[in-house]
Amino acid sequence: SQTIHQWPATLVQPVGSPLSLECTVEGTSNPNLYWYRQAAGRGLQLLFYSVGIGQISSEVPQNLSASRPQDRQFILSSKKLLLSDSGFYLCAWSVQGSGNTIYFGEGSWLTVV
Amino acid sequence: GENVEQHPSTLSVQEGDSAVIKCTYSDSASNYFPWYKQELGKGPQLIIDIRSNVGEKKDQRIAVTLNKTAKHFSLHITETQPEDSAVYFCAASYDYKLSFGAGTTVTVRA
Repeated sequence: SQTIHQWPATLVQPVGSPLSLECTVEGTSNPNLYWYRQAAGRGLQLLFYSVGIGQISSEVPQNLSASRPQDRQFILSSKKLLLSDSGFYLCAWSVQGSGNTIYFGEGSWLTVV
Repeated sequence: GENVEQHPSTLSVQEGDSAVIKCTYSDSASNYFPWYKQELGKGPQLIIDIRSNVGEKKDQRIAVTLNKTAKHFSLHITETQPEDSAVYFCAASYDYKLSFGAGTTVTVRA
């Protein structure tokens, strides 16, 4: 069966510091990969998605970037965090192709202070 | 792009009663409509989904209906239980991406 791992689960970072959130998927090959952000008490906003290694599409221009160095690894990064970057970050995957079910990881709570 | 609206934003029901959440979407090309349940501090979990070639789907106490002409779909939970308390999200998709509604916080009163 497929599993998705995301870490760290929680982190508190000062303004201006870098960020790296990592996500890996097991039990499948060539998945679509996604990063979503959820502000407190609000809906899910798609940040990035990837249909293959090195292929990243950005949905919302902002202070973050994503990379996919390996088939089942997806990394969310920032060089300098802003207060507005605080939120709940969710990695997700789906089978390659369109219209397929998206499965979410357990999320990472980021607080920028 | 796709725009999904979800109502109500909060819903309180007595245990044993039914709960209904409604969503509308804007892009007639959307053909996949999942529903997710999110418990506090956890990632959303898929509970049921429906595709555009089906009008209704049921799984035990949960059912989803789709009206493609009107571009709306609904989640029905019957015989609600305390463990049904959570935030529920609808979503719509026609390609790689899901567009989500803003969520409904469901509280089941014992």
